[in-house]
Amino acid sequence: KAGVTQTPRYLIKTRGQQVTLSCSPISGHRSVSWYQQTPGQGLQFLFEYFSETQRNKGNFPGRFSGRQFSNSRSEMNVSTLELGDSALYLCASNGDAGVALINNEQFFGPGTRLTVL
Amino acid sequence: TQLLEQSPQFLSIQEGENLTVYCNSSSVFSSLQWYRQEPGEGPVLLVTVVTGGEVKKLKRLTFQFGDARKDSSLHITAAQPGDTGLYLCAETSGTYKYIFGTGTRLKVLA
Repeated sequence: KAGVTQTPRYLIKTRGQQVTLSCSPISGHRSVSWYQQTPGQGLQFLFEYFSETQRNKGNFPGRFSGRQFSNSRSEMNVSTLELGDSALYLCASNGDAGVALINNEQFFGPGTRLTVL
Repeated sequence: TQLLEQSPQFLSIQEGENLTVYCNSSSVFSSLQWYRQEPGEGPVLLVTVVTGGEVKKLKRLTFQFGDARKDSSLHITAAQPGDTGLYLCAETSGTYKYIFGTGTRLKVLA
């Protein structure tokens, strides 16, 4: 069974640009979560999607957005990039059957390393 | 906002030593998970604990959930270089998101 794939793995952008990151979950998984990981703030929740619907979001500005497609693949977009957006962006796939995530296992992808210059 | 504090933040030990890392919350956990993350990879789930006082073992790793479900610990016996990594605790708030702890970065020297 293939794991979670994220593309691209590395990305360099300049301030003011926008970026789109992609995540393909494990086959059959309908829940996809996104996280931002930085040395200073740790791993922070961005948003979670299930069957194309955003069910929860973290405390990030509106420049961070996401969506999920009918095949469960997900994208996140960051507009008007700032230096502080440099981070490892992780996607996690969950076999959630539609109920709360308690006891469920998240499977993480390797992440996309975004550098903003 | 629920915060998960982990301690210590950094730990460097010799192979064969024992260690314990802690995860504490300002609120009661619904359930708690422990992950290990290695450089260049995403976190990998080690264990999930749900019941207060629960103890789970995974080879040389022992996980304990506090009776009041506000704290957890991870004990590693006879640490090996392969245990090196970032250890993260995470709590599911029950509303489709996980809250991660601040992390403990462990380095085991051969």
